Amino acid sequence: DVKVTQSSRYLVKRTGEKVFLECVQDMDHENMFWYRQDPGLGLRLIYFSYDVKMKEKGDIPEGYSVSREKKERFSLILESASTNQTSMYLCASSLISLYSNQPQHFGDGTRLSIL
Amino acid sequence: DQQVKQNSPSLSVQEGRISILNCDYTNSMFDYFLWYKKYPAEGPTFLISISSIKDKNEDGRFTVFLNKSAKHLSLHIVPSQPGDSAVYFCAASAADTDKLIFGTGTRLQVFP
Repeated sequence: DVKVTQSSRYLVKRTGEKVFLECVQDMDHENMFWYRQDPGLGLRLIYFSYDVKMKEKGDIPEGYSVSREKKERFSLILESASTNQTSMYLCASSLISLYSNQPQHFGDGTRLSIL
Repeated sequence: DQQVKQNSPSLSVQEGRISILNCDYTNSMFDYFLWYKKYPAEGPTFLISISSIKDKNEDGRFTVFLNKSAKHLSLHIVPSQPGDSAVYFCAASAADTDKLIFGTGTRLQVFP
């Protein structure tokens, strides 16, 4: 079974802090993704990466950056946390769809509160 | 611009009956569609998918139907069980990308 592990289930930070959310997958997947989930808005893609050191912006990248130094690890960084970044953050991974479509597999999420 | 729409925020169904969850999309380039189930405080779990070359895919109690001309897909759960109570998200992707576009979710409640 695919295992996607997010380092924290709950996190409380203060406005202006730099926040790191970590995600590790154990299935040698090429793709990794960061989403946020908000009520009534579904899952929105923040950033994704298809290889080490590669990254692409998703739909809502403002205020975030990412780092992928190793294939299994994908970090989301809030450069200067603001209250509107209070949300559930979900990490996912998948194989590259070269010959057949591949589903994404999700971690359990980090509920981040910015005070 | 919402490319994947789930117009019903919630659905309530009696145990043993059929649950039908609907999803509409606008992008004709989408060729792969998925359904995810999400319990509170957990990540979404992949449920079932369908490629645009098919119009039906079945896995146990779960069947997904795709109507390409109407840009509509649906998830049927038969029979519904209380453990099926969760939020269901549909998602879609286009051929040239591994990115998924998600709908806003439908909360299914199955009552005894």
